[in-house]
Amino acid sequence: EVQLVESGGGSVQPGRSLRLSCAASGFNFDGYAMLWVRQAPGKGLEWVSGISWDTGTIGYADSVKGRFTISRDNAKNSLYLQMNSLRPEDTALYYCAKGGPSYGVGSYDYWGQGTLVTVSS
Amino acid sequence: QSVLTQPPSVSAAPGQKVTISCSGSSSNIGNNYVSWYQQLPGTAPKLLIYDNHKRPSGIPDRFSGSKSGTSATLGITGLQTGDEADYYCGTWDSSLSAGVFGGGTKLTVL
Repeated sequence: EVQLVESGGGSVQPGRSLRLSCAASGFNFDGYAMLWVRQAPGKGLEWVSGISWDTGTIGYADSVKGRFTISRDNAKNSLYLQMNSLRPEDTALYYCAKGGPSYGVGSYDYWGQGTLVTVSS
Repeated sequence: QSVLTQPPSVSAAPGQKVTISCSGSSSNIGNNYVSWYQQLPGTAPKLLIYDNHKRPSGIPDRFSGSKSGTSATLGITGLQTGDEADYYCGTWDSSLSAGVFGGGTKLTVL
């Protein structure tokens, strides 16, 4: 059974940092692209960042470019999102999702339950 | 403002059929596969349709997808109260080099 479990969310002040983690199990983690998608309270889905299976291709939404860094550790079946210079508009539920074998395919077949990030003074 | 455009809401009676549209451009829908997601209240999104019209294992054939040019459509037949949810279309945008989603459509089964 595929499982994605996010952690690391919390409440922080603007300008501070957080590191999200996603523990994956039930599939060959090192064979698939992975991504982060967020959902602000009462709003729709927003693609945040994606990473290919071999970390050779990485992408970011313009809204987080230069502030967020995605990474993965295939030996630990884990995905990460380092979030710096956080802003109130980054407040959202952050989902980890599994992509396809190829980066750039917009189909995500498994999602975690999300971890909540709140940025407020 | 989402890159893909969906109607904010649709509604229909139990047993009826509903369609949800998703409009984009040549840089996204026009040249990439479309997927659809169902988000029940308080839960994570669930993949309903991928590669424009394919259904993952376990998704009933009441759900269907199609694509024409720069638009895509999700169809749901035999509506049930349990289908009440938010539905999102998604695809890759080759110009942005990023994934994109529609703004979501709230389905109400009257």
